[in-house]
Amino acid sequence: EPEVTQTPSHQVTQMGQEVILRCVPISNHLYFYWYRQILGQKVEFLVSFYNNEISEKSEIFDDQFSVERPDGSNFTLKIRSTKLEDSAMYFCASRRDRNTEAFFGQGTRLTVV
Amino acid sequence: QKEVEQDPGPLSVPEGAIVSLNCTYSNSAFQYFMWYRQYSRKGPELLMYTYSSGNKEDGRFTAQVDKSSKYISLFIRDSQPSDSATYLCAMEYNFNKFYFGSGTKLNVKP
Repeated sequence: EPEVTQTPSHQVTQMGQEVILRCVPISNHLYFYWYRQILGQKVEFLVSFYNNEISEKSEIFDDQFSVERPDGSNFTLKIRSTKLEDSAMYFCASRRDRNTEAFFGQGTRLTVV
Repeated sequence: QKEVEQDPGPLSVPEGAIVSLNCTYSNSAFQYFMWYRQYSRKGPELLMYTYSSGNKEDGRFTAQVDKSSKYISLFIRDSQPSDSATYLCAMEYNFNKFYFGSGTKLNVKP
């Protein structure tokens, strides 16, 4: 069964460093998302992406964040200068069409020290 | 007022019980409703996706949507210890983002 794949599963980084979280969405999917979940809290929306541009972003998604689809398969989230409060699970999701199911990856646990 | 409200639990039931999980919402524009299961430190796993009022059944799971009351439910029949997880409701109206509930933690005791 096709699945959304995220790497790495766990990343530890020092405050102020740049990190890139990688996702490989399901191959025929066209809509892509990043969400995050701080430990013990709700899953929060970060950004949605379609047709090589951002469809919507949350207020969390400030200038320190960027997304890219560098080739036909990868979808990346970059955090330019990490803060302690960026520590969270980051989930990538994809869906084939607008009104179809969205599938999530297993997440990348980001720890900023 | 929160967009989506969900009782965090925990909810503890014996194996074989019928489980009822619920969410309420305030935004009448929500059209699409989802239930996800999340094991600890894992990604949300889709259980049900529905867009109309009424019931949708898939195996031991039934999703119920009542748009007039802004209320959705997930029923799990013959619950198993492997169903022990956190259950997330989510909903959307513009296909750009999901609004998640805070999750209900379910424990099914053998």
